[in-house]
Amino acid sequence: DAGITQSPRHKVTETGTPVTLRCHQTENHRYMYWYRQDPGHGLRLIHYSYGVKDTDKGEVSDGYSVSRSKTEDFLLTLESATSSQTSVYFCAISEDRLGIQYFGAGTRLSVL
Amino acid sequence: ILNVEQSPQSLHVQEGDSTNFTCSFPSSNFYALHWYRWETAKSPEALFVMTLNGDEKKKGRISATLNTKEGYSYLYIKGSQPEDSATYLCASSPLQGAQKLVFGQGTRLTINP
Repeated sequence: DAGITQSPRHKVTETGTPVTLRCHQTENHRYMYWYRQDPGHGLRLIHYSYGVKDTDKGEVSDGYSVSRSKTEDFLLTLESATSSQTSVYFCAISEDRLGIQYFGAGTRLSVL
Repeated sequence: ILNVEQSPQSLHVQEGDSTNFTCSFPSSNFYALHWYRWETAKSPEALFVMTLNGDEKKKGRISATLNTKEGYSYLYIKGSQPEDSATYLCASSPLQGAQKLVFGQGTRLTINP
């Protein structure tokens, strides 16, 4: 998985609780992304980062926040999890100008 | 938000047959078109990236073409094998913000032995 580690790999939580997912890379790539994958939707971008402390919203950012204090770590936080946020979350990294992305193994999140 | 559409959504092909599927994307403000291969229980892996009208890329039995004027790309698989079974995703990126990919919903390909 191109030096990308997502943690945890699986998580079950209750509605209303905060959840943080971590993406760690060892490639020193500039760009990092969080996607969610739902049936019939492919991959949808939640947030991305183009450098330390530089982040921007994707198409489904409501209910999510991110932080990147170091090049290697990109955190995705669900401030108050809802059942609609049950999904598989993928982190991706990219460095080159063409934007080829390399994906982590995914985190399966269930919000009950 | 770009609208990237893939067809068909799913496809069953007999082993040894060739197949192709389509990705359509907005042709205005276009920068690049990506194809990814996504096997069950794994992560998406990049196959090709193309930027110029008329681009053609090939990797083994898999090839892709790009038409930026009309906004479509084809992915071809020649002589399908069971290991080709996967979901194939295309993604488009705009000229401004080329690092942001918009993915289609994917074509799920199943090869029947």
